[in-house]
Amino acid sequence: GAGVSQSPSNKVTEKGKDVELRCDPISGHTALYWYRQSLGQGLEFLIYFQGNSAPDKSGLPSDRFSAERTGGSVSTLTIQRTQQEDSAVYLCASSPQTSPQYFGPGTRLTVL
Amino acid sequence: QQQVKQSPQSLIVQKGGIPIINCAYENTAFDYFPWYQQFPGKGPALLIAIRPDVSEKKEGRFTISFNKSAKQFSLHIMDSQPGDSATYFCAAREKGGTSYGKLTFGQGTILTVHP
Repeated sequence: GAGVSQSPSNKVTEKGKDVELRCDPISGHTALYWYRQSLGQGLEFLIYFQGNSAPDKSGLPSDRFSAERTGGSVSTLTIQRTQQEDSAVYLCASSPQTSPQYFGPGTRLTVL
Repeated sequence: QQQVKQSPQSLIVQKGGIPIINCAYENTAFDYFPWYQQFPGKGPALLIAIRPDVSEKKEGRFTISFNKSAKQFSLHIMDSQPGDSATYFCAAREKGGTSYGKLTFGQGTILTVHP
């Protein structure tokens, strides 16, 4: 079956612009996660949606970052007023409950 | 605060060798420990996972050893192949609470297997 998909695969933007990153989870998966991977680094948790519960936003690095999940499926991560330190690969994962988590290919964001 | 410490940062072995990657944690609330494999330009892929009530788990050429008292776990790759060259991440999941499900990752190990 289809895995987790993310779009765009690459995004280049100018400092100060807003960007939206999209994640389509595996059908039927109730949990959805966003992580950030900086060059040569491990994965940093950003936000977690589980069913209709309030999302766990504890990993969002600043109020410029927000995410929503519509209809319990597709999710969008929005970064406002992008900064150069936001450059990273943004990874989305989904899972049937909490594990195992299946990752998408990621969106590589470059802020000039 | 780095809750999961992974070593080494990089590892080079010859084909057929047995690379070992180690991880250590402090948080006793962790209840599930997966390992992920990541190739350049791809997302991480789940390789194998273990729960703390088991000391060892094998899947094909991959084995996890788990030492609950020492709060350490490791990945062994038997008969390593050049195609195993990738970055490997250990991770840990918290049980219960509002963060249930969130994975905390180690910093990754770049494995190179020479032919």
